[in-house]
Amino acid sequence: DTGVSQDPRHKITKRGQNVTFRCDPISEHNRLYWYRQTLGQGPEFLTYFQNEAQLEKSRLLSNRFSAERPKGSFSTLEIQRTEQGDSAMYLCASSLARGIAYNSPLHFGNGTRLTVT
Amino acid sequence: AQSVTQLDSHVSVSEGTPVLLRCNYSSSYSPSLFWYVQHPNKGLQLLLKYTSAATLVKGINGFEAEFKKSETSFHLTKPSAHMSDAAEYFCVVSMDSNYQLIWGAGTKLIIKP
Repeated sequence: DTGVSQDPRHKITKRGQNVTFRCDPISEHNRLYWYRQTLGQGPEFLTYFQNEAQLEKSRLLSNRFSAERPKGSFSTLEIQRTEQGDSAMYLCASSLARGIAYNSPLHFGNGTRLTVT
Repeated sequence: AQSVTQLDSHVSVSEGTPVLLRCNYSSSYSPSLFWYVQHPNKGLQLLLKYTSAATLVKGINGFEAEFKKSETSFHLTKPSAHMSDAAEYFCVVSMDSNYQLIWGAGTKLIIKP
């Protein structure tokens, strides 16, 4: 079963460094999402793609954050000039959306835990 | 505006006893509702979903939830808790577009031996 995979699982970095995370969605899924989750909280939406198009970005996503999905398959999330407040679990999810399909469930990866020291 | 309230931040039950995790929502649409489970240091796994078909929804691992429009509730239940059920559970409501998922704050389920 090839679910959503994320790499790396853990990343420790020093403040001010850049980091990049990768997400490989389920192969036939056309939608891909990034969420951030801090301890004791539910996931917060960051951004999502339909195929290669980035259709929505949360106001939480500062200009230090950028996400790409160049060929409509895998996606990367880059954080530039990391800050301690960026420490969180970054979750990727994918879904298969047909038309409106507002009820298609998300399939999540195991996340990348970022610690900024 | 859409919102989701999980009424308990922690629920503690003994192994073999019933589980009830409460969720209330507000929505101006006919909502889609989901329950997700998250085990420690793992991603989120879909337990079950309601999408305007049967109001009693059966999910994985023996969980089920009942959609009650009059009470705007979607409580999650399981007849007999197992140690492996210890995890955090999230109630989620979907708006008209898929990315607009409104997440509850989560309920941590603790199973006592």
